[in-house]
Amino acid sequence: GNSVTQMEGPVTLSEEAFLTINCTYTATGYPSLFWYVQYPGEGLQLLLKATKADDKGSNKGFEATYRKETTSFHLEKGSVQVSDSAVYFCALSDQDTGGFKTIFGAGTRLFVKA
Amino acid sequence: NAGVTQTPKFRVLKTGQSMTLLCAQDMNHEYMYWYRQDPGMGLRLIHYSVGEGTTAKGEVPDGYNVSRLKKQNFLLGLESAAPSQTSVYFCASSQLPGQGVGELFFGEGSRLTVL
Repeated sequence: GNSVTQMEGPVTLSEEAFLTINCTYTATGYPSLFWYVQYPGEGLQLLLKATKADDKGSNKGFEATYRKETTSFHLEKGSVQVSDSAVYFCALSDQDTGGFKTIFGAGTRLFVKA
Repeated sequence: NAGVTQTPKFRVLKTGQSMTLLCAQDMNHEYMYWYRQDPGMGLRLIHYSVGEGTTAKGEVPDGYNVSRLKKQNFLLGLESAAPSQTSVYFCASSQLPGQGVGELFFGEGSRLTVL
């Protein structure tokens, strides 16, 4: 079955540091890939998405490229801010007879220090 | 714009008590989902619905029941709460295939503690 594996946290960075959170997936079909972000005390919200191989999703300075050859969707940001402190979830969504099925990674907590 | 709204936000139950979590969405989405979030385990799907009057089991359905009597509402019930059901519960909705690619819209969560 489908699965998502992302790097364990927590990740602690200083402000303006470069961020990479690794995510790899296993899928039998052609899923869409997502990064969701969860700020403290809130629900998850979509950060970015990519729907096919070689697509690059981007938002708020974050970006991730759908790499089918390495089955990866790593999240990157060139210069993190304190306000980026949150939990980040990699996810894939595939369509079957029952509608969309979304599989989440375990989440990676990011702390950014001033 | 309300989006997805969950009630209640917090609840403490004793073992064996029952309760219902209510989810309401105003985006006219066909699909709705209930997830639970536990530390280190990401989100796990409890039950989902692909339209009014339909429900289906997800990854961890035991101990829960659901109903979708109206398109905009999706109820999650615990008939006899157990400490293992202490968790944060999230409701989500999504568009039909062809209208979207499976992006989920989440509520703010309901924190349930079972003593």
